[in-house]
Amino acid sequence: EIVLTQSPANLSVSLGDRATLSCRVSQSVSSNLAWYQQKPGQAPRLLIFDATTRATGIPARFSGSGSGTEFTLTISSLQSEDFALYYCQQYNSWPPLTFGPGTTVNIK
Amino acid sequence: EVKVVESGGGLVKPGGSLRLSCVASEFNFRTYSMAWVRQAPGKGLEWVSCISASSSYIYYADSVKGRFTVSRDNAKNSLFLQMDSLTVEDTAVYYCSRSFDDSSWYRAAFDIWGQGTVVTVSS
Repeated sequence: EIVLTQSPANLSVSLGDRATLSCRVSQSVSSNLAWYQQKPGQAPRLLIFDATTRATGIPARFSGSGSGTEFTLTISSLQSEDFALYYCQQYNSWPPLTFGPGTTVNIK
Repeated sequence: EVKVVESGGGLVKPGGSLRLSCVASEFNFRTYSMAWVRQAPGKGLEWVSCISASSSYIYYADSVKGRFTVSRDNAKNSLFLQMDSLTVEDTAVYYCSRSFDDSSWYRAAFDIWGQGTVVTVSS
């Protein structure tokens, strides 16, 4: 089973600042990695697939980078609606499909 | 609007059964792989099962294998999850989700999610 580790677990950021979230994978998943945003009481929302491609309707301030075992989600200028929980997920080698434990982005 | 809507959750005793349903609308359901993903209270996301567009490929997480059965009815734009021998560890919000790539069943990231249906297993 491929294990995903996200860091930090909690990230405190001021409005307008940049946020950088990390996802490390226990073995190479090539570029088969997705990022999701989840707000309390809501379903996850796909932000990024194939490590770097924004999903439909996702603002350009969200960007993904990386390949292999190291990935990053960057939010270039945090807006109030961006404070949420973020998960990474690999779909390179499955079953099982696996998610990271999540990073919570808080207001500083 | 492209969407999926789950139903069928509820309170069930340990050892009991429940059948979840998910109805899709405004997209060509029969060409997409679908999945169930769950989230226990206060916990992260856990993949449960995937089914390819024509039901040729079906996979389960080890935690549910042998107890849960996924199926679909493309004529009715519907996805199902039959859950048997439920335990308290199955308590979660269950999400129905659509795989983003309709040209490859294996590329399983999910772009459409339902609002979830709550399953509570308790005596």
